[in-house]
Amino acid sequence: NAGVTQTPKFRVLKTGQSMTLLCAQDMNHEYMYWYRQDPGMGLRLIHYSVGEGTTAKGEVPDGYNVSRLKKQNFLLGLESAAPSQTSVYFCASSYVASGGAVTDTQYFGPGTRLTVL
Amino acid sequence: GQQLNQSPQSMFIQEGEDVSMNCTSSSIFNTWLWYKQDPGEGPVLLIALYKAGELTSNGRLTAQFGITRKDSFLNISASIPSDVGIYFCAGRKGSNYKLTFGKGTLLTVNP
Repeated sequence: NAGVTQTPKFRVLKTGQSMTLLCAQDMNHEYMYWYRQDPGMGLRLIHYSVGEGTTAKGEVPDGYNVSRLKKQNFLLGLESAAPSQTSVYFCASSYVASGGAVTDTQYFGPGTRLTVL
Repeated sequence: GQQLNQSPQSMFIQEGEDVSMNCTSSSIFNTWLWYKQDPGEGPVLLIALYKAGELTSNGRLTAQFGITRKDSFLNISASIPSDVGIYFCAGRKGSNYKLTFGKGTLLTVNP
């Protein structure tokens, strides 16, 4: 298993440009998440998904959109990038245990470092 | 916004020393988690705590769920260079699968 993979690893954008970050997991997990990590701020949840075709807003959703057309993929889009979106972006996934409860172990990808000039 | 206060923000210690860090909140969490992030990697779960007062160990790591359910601490004994990284606490409320993360403690171990 590759686990959680993220594409690309690094990207530099100019203000106003758009891009899509791709997250893929091969563990058949139901839940997927997008976080951003900024110095001294820890991890903040942007959007999440509880299953194919469903998405929901997290703590800091403004300026981002997401889609989960396939169970294994979770896409994060920036329509018009701003310097405030310079950050490291992490994708994570988790699964539903046999009793129906979502497990606490979130499996993280290696991150995408995005710089917006 | 952030509801977890993690301290200290950073630590610089000598190899072999013990380390202690903690996380506090103004609200109750039903689950406390501790993650470690190696440089250039995503966080990895170290310990999960589910009951107030629970004390759980994972090798040289020991974590406790505070009895008020508003705090947790992590101890690392006999630190080694590979302990270097950022340690995050995270909390979960009830059956909500979303996690709230602390801001992290950056640990540096001098060989």
